Amino acid sequence: DTAVSQTPKYLVTQMGNDKSIKCEQNLGHDTMYWYKQDSKKFLKIMFSYNNKELIINETVPNRFSPKSPDKAHLNLHINSLELGDSAVYFCASSRSGTGRVNTEAFFGQGTRLTVV
Amino acid sequence: ILNVEQSPQSLHVQEGDSTNFTCSFPSSNFYALHWYRWETAKSPEALFVMTLNGDEKKKGRISATLNTKEGYSYLYIKGSQPEDSATYLCAPGAGSYQLTFGKGTKLSVIP
Repeated sequence: DTAVSQTPKYLVTQMGNDKSIKCEQNLGHDTMYWYKQDSKKFLKIMFSYNNKELIINETVPNRFSPKSPDKAHLNLHINSLELGDSAVYFCASSRSGTGRVNTEAFFGQGTRLTVV
Repeated sequence: ILNVEQSPQSLHVQEGDSTNFTCSFPSSNFYALHWYRWETAKSPEALFVMTLNGDEKKKGRISATLNTKEGYSYLYIKGSQPEDSATYLCAPGAGSYQLTFGKGTKLSVIP
């Protein structure tokens, strides 16, 4: 069983379209994240979310929005896709501890988004 | 978002050599320091999570130390093997459920 799974693995779409990437975790974790791997292979946090709190990286355009139907899922919706959105997007989850970040994160396999 | 520096950016070592990398981060408002191993075409996998000043953790040939007062962590690999070739990421956390990843140290172990 894959602990954190993302779909699709590859997504090719045209500029201006709206798309979603799905993420599911079966670890019973209560915190989930979206990271973007930029062109320099750098992992940047986009969102972190648990059932009480959404933390948004202020550099993320508001065309990006996380949607969490339940604790096991955190989907990423992207509106009006732009060429610069092309990247690999990673979902992750962790069990939130008293120090919030003192437990390891488990990552999905990534979704390679290409905007043409 | 924290300022995280990892050095060196890349490293080539011969099989059997021991090596180490550095992660520097702000020492204020520290919660935890994570190390991840990231192989090409795979997902990052956690190696260690450290929270206390002076922490030392070990997993096989890989170990890590933490100095929260001065804001640095070292990752050591003893007797490097080709399968150790990967990018090693450190990520300090300062609360709010967010980890800030460094750019990583890319290790290549030459057989």
